[in-house]
Amino acid sequence: QVQLVQSGAEVKKPGASVKVSCKTSGYIFSDYYIHWVRQAPGQGLEWMGWINPNRGDVNYPQKFQGRVTMISDTSISTAYMELSRLKSDDTAVYFCAREFMSIGIPGYWGQGSLVTVSS
Amino acid sequence: SYELTQPPSVSVSPGQTARITCSGDALPKKYAYWYQQKSGQAPVLVIYEDSKRPSGIPERFSGSSSGTMATLTVSGAQVEDEADYYCYSKDNSGNFWVFGGGTKLTVL
Repeated sequence: QVQLVQSGAEVKKPGASVKVSCKTSGYIFSDYYIHWVRQAPGQGLEWMGWINPNRGDVNYPQKFQGRVTMISDTSISTAYMELSRLKSDDTAVYFCAREFMSIGIPGYWGQGSLVTVSS
Repeated sequence: SYELTQPPSVSVSPGQTARITCSGDALPKKYAYWYQQKSGQAPVLVIYEDSKRPSGIPERFSGSSSGTMATLTVSGAQVEDEADYYCYSKDNSGNFWVFGGGTKLTVL
């Protein structure tokens, strides 16, 4: 079955960077996009972008352009999301999610990775 | 930036029908998708492409879209349907995805 397992919780200082990993199994990694979505404490979901593991192309909303980098390593079926210049309001649970049925939306989700930004 | 607007909360008694709306000016041209998120869990897709139900999602969940509004309907809502529900769609450019603000469904 499709599984996405994310890296553990992180605590970072303002201005630092964080890199979250998302190891996948149960399907051909390069066949489906990986999306990243975050959720601040008590808040709603926020789409951060996607990566096409087959070609490496990415799509980020304007809010995160210049600060987010999504990459993939097809040899180990793992996607990564790095967010730089962290601020306190980047404190959130970060989710990776595999595309559903090749229609471009998140369908299979990781368990989430809590990133806390605090001085 | 593009926004999808949902009511913050909807409340029904068990067995009643709950309707959650999502408005956005690109919805006449873009599909709506709906996610259910229970406390402390990852979201689950319950409706895709306005009205299709993924396998394993109960038939009481249905979706529709007309003009600038999409609607998620839970017919005969059950206590276990209590959750936050988010609509999701593309903006007018078709390049970027947006979540609605979420609606807390209470069934009691």
